[in-house]
Amino acid sequence: EVQLVESGGGLVQPGGSLRLSCAASGFTFSSYWMSWVRQAPGKGLEWVANIKQDGSEKYYVDSVKGRFTISRDNAKNSLYLQMNSLRAEDTAVYYCARNYVATIPLSYFDYWGQGTLVTVSS
Amino acid sequence: EIVLTQSPATLSLSPGERATLSCRASQSVSSYLAWYQQKPGQAPRLLIYDASNRATGIPARFSGSGSGTDFTLTISSLEPEDFAVYYCQQRSNWPGTFGQGTKLEIK
Repeated sequence: EVQLVESGGGLVQPGGSLRLSCAASGFTFSSYWMSWVRQAPGKGLEWVANIKQDGSEKYYVDSVKGRFTISRDNAKNSLYLQMNSLRAEDTAVYYCARNYVATIPLSYFDYWGQGTLVTVSS
Repeated sequence: EIVLTQSPATLSLSPGERATLSCRASQSVSSYLAWYQQKPGQAPRLLIYDASNRATGIPARFSGSGSGTDFTLTISSLEPEDFAVYYCQQRSNWPGTFGQGTKLEIK
C-alpha cells in the first residue's frame, strides 16, 4: 500500500525557517518525480515544487523561488522541503504528492499524504 | 500561467440526482486535465486524468469529458459520499494550475 506521511509543520514567526519531511513507503520511491502541493486555509490547491527521481532537476512556483528548497534522499525514501524567509501568505497545509506519470515533471498526483500545517504568524 | 475557472462555485443537489461540474481554461490545455475530490480534513483524491480516464478504483458513475478549453465532470447518480469539493487541474503548461473548486452540497 502506498503511504506518504508528512511531518515538520508548526507555528513559525515571519522570516523564520521550517523543514518539512515526507516518508514514503509501498512503492519504488526512486522511480518517481515527487511534489509538494499546498492549500491555504479554506482555499484551493497550489503546486509548490517538484523534484526528479535522482534529484538532478527541481522546479518551483514563482512565489517560493529563492526561499524554498526541495530535496530527497532515496536511500531513506524521504522527500523534504526547506522553507526559509517564511511569510504569512505561506500559511497552508503542505501535502507531499506522488506524480501520477512517474517520469515527467508536470503531472497529476495519484497519491497524497495527510498534510502538515504550517502557520506563519507573530 | 493558465487560469482554470470552475463553475458553479456551489452546487446543491439531492442523492440520486445527476451532477454536472464545469472547468474552463484560459487557453487550450488539449486533454491534459484532471479532476480531484476533496472531503473535509482529507487530501485530494484523483478521480479523472487526461480529461476522460477514470483513475484506479473510481466508480463508473464518475465520468469526464471535454478538450481544449472546456471540460465537464459528471456524476451520474449522486451517492451520499459524493458530497465534497471538486477541483480540476491542468498539466499542459507550467505550472500545473488548479481551479478554485466547486462545492457539491446536499440540498
